[in-house]
Amino acid sequence: EAQVTQNPRYLITVTGKKLTVTCSQNMNHEYMSWYRQDPGLGLRQIYYSMNVEVTDKGDVPEGYKVSRKEKRNFPLILESPSPNQTSLYFCASSLSIRVDTEAFFGQGTRLTVV
Amino acid sequence: GENVEQHPSTLSVQEGDSAVIKCTYSDSASNYFPWYKQELGKGPQLIIDIRSNVGEKKDQRIAVTLNKTAKHFSLHITETQPEDSAVYFCAVPSQGGSEKLVFGKGTKLTVNP
Repeated sequence: EAQVTQNPRYLITVTGKKLTVTCSQNMNHEYMSWYRQDPGLGLRQIYYSMNVEVTDKGDVPEGYKVSRKEKRNFPLILESPSPNQTSLYFCASSLSIRVDTEAFFGQGTRLTVV
Repeated sequence: GENVEQHPSTLSVQEGDSAVIKCTYSDSASNYFPWYKQELGKGPQLIIDIRSNVGEKKDQRIAVTLNKTAKHFSLHITETQPEDSAVYFCAVPSQGGSEKLVFGKGTKLTVNP
C-alpha cells in the first residue's frame, strides 16, 4: 500500500531532550516536507527537500533540523525541544517538485514538550 | 510571500444542506488551487484541485470555483452528509508557482444528522 509513515504517533518529552521523528514513504517520491499544525494557525511548513541531500527551510524552521540521506526517509530532528514546539506534526511527500502535484500526508505525530 | 485567507473558520450545517468555504489569495500569478480534507486523527488528503485555465471543476458532490480577477476560490459541497465533517484546507503556491504550497488556516465543517 502506498503510504507515508511517521513514528511515533504520540510523544511526550521534557525540555532539552533531543528527539527524532521519523518519516518514510514507499512511493519513490522526490519531494518531502514537514509541517506543524497549531490551532488557529493551520499548516505551516518547517522544512522541505527536493531530492537526496537537498533540503531547504520552510516558513518556521527555527529549532528544527532535517536530513535526506536516502530518497525514502526524511527525519525531523529537535536538538533541544522547548514547550513552544508542542504541536501536531505532519510529514508529506509528492511525486515531483512541481507544486501542482498531489501531496500525500502521514498520519501525524502529536508532540508534547513539558 | 503569498497570503491566503480562509473563511469561515467553523461551519455547521444540517445534513442535506450545502456548504461553501472561500479562500482569497494575494499573488495574481498563482495558478494552482487545491483543497485538502483532514478527518479526525488523520493527515490531510487532496479532494479536488483547479488550475487557472478553468473557472469551475466538479467531482460528484464537491466543486471548486475560481475567480482569478477577484483572486478567490471556493469549495462547494452539496447534499452534505455526516462523513463530510472534517477540517478543510485551501492552498496556493508560494510566490506564484514556486516549489511549495501555502495553506489556509482551515475550516472545521460539522454536518449535523
